[in-house]
Amino acid sequence: DVKVTQSSRYLVKRTGEKVFLECVQDMDHENMFWYRQDPGLGLRLIYFSYDVKMKEKGDIPEGYSVSREKKERFSLILESASTNQTSMYLCASSFADKYEKLFFGSGTQLSVL
Amino acid sequence: SQKIEQNSEALNIQEGKTATLTCNYTNYSPAYLQWYRQDPGRGPVFLLLIRENEKEKRKERLKVTFDTTLKQSLFHITASQPADSATYLCALPPSGSARQLTFGSGTQLTVLP
Repeated sequence: DVKVTQSSRYLVKRTGEKVFLECVQDMDHENMFWYRQDPGLGLRLIYFSYDVKMKEKGDIPEGYSVSREKKERFSLILESASTNQTSMYLCASSFADKYEKLFFGSGTQLSVL
Repeated sequence: SQKIEQNSEALNIQEGKTATLTCNYTNYSPAYLQWYRQDPGRGPVFLLLIRENEKEKRKERLKVTFDTTLKQSLFHITASQPADSATYLCALPPSGSARQLTFGSGTQLTVLP
């Protein structure tokens, strides 16, 4: 079974802190994605990556950056956390074929105080 | 702008009945459409994919239709069970890009015993 592992289920940080969210997949997927999910707004794409060291902005990249140094690992970075970044963060991965389904991690619930 | 709408934020039905969920989209010409299930506190799980040249797809008690003229997909669960209670999300690739997915905000289904 494909496994997408997110490093933390729950995280509490202070405003202004630098926050790292880590995601690892074990299926040699080319594509990796970071979404955030908020009540009433659904899933919104922050950043995605089609290959190592490659990244593209999604719909809401402001306040975030990403890093993909290895194929299996995709990190989301909040340079200076703010309260409006309190959310559920979901990592996903998929093969390069355009019809491939996404495999999601269990999510990280981040609270910024 | 491109938009996905899932009718009814919440749907309650009686056990044994057929649940029908709707996904409408505008300003899209998607090559395919996917449906996911999400349980509370978990990431979405892929259920079905239907391509633009397919009118209907079935998997066990699930049936999906895709009407590109109406710009609508219907998701049916027959002989529903309380274990089917979850949030169901439809997802489409944005026009011009087949590797990302944009998600609807979901319909929360509750099957009452």
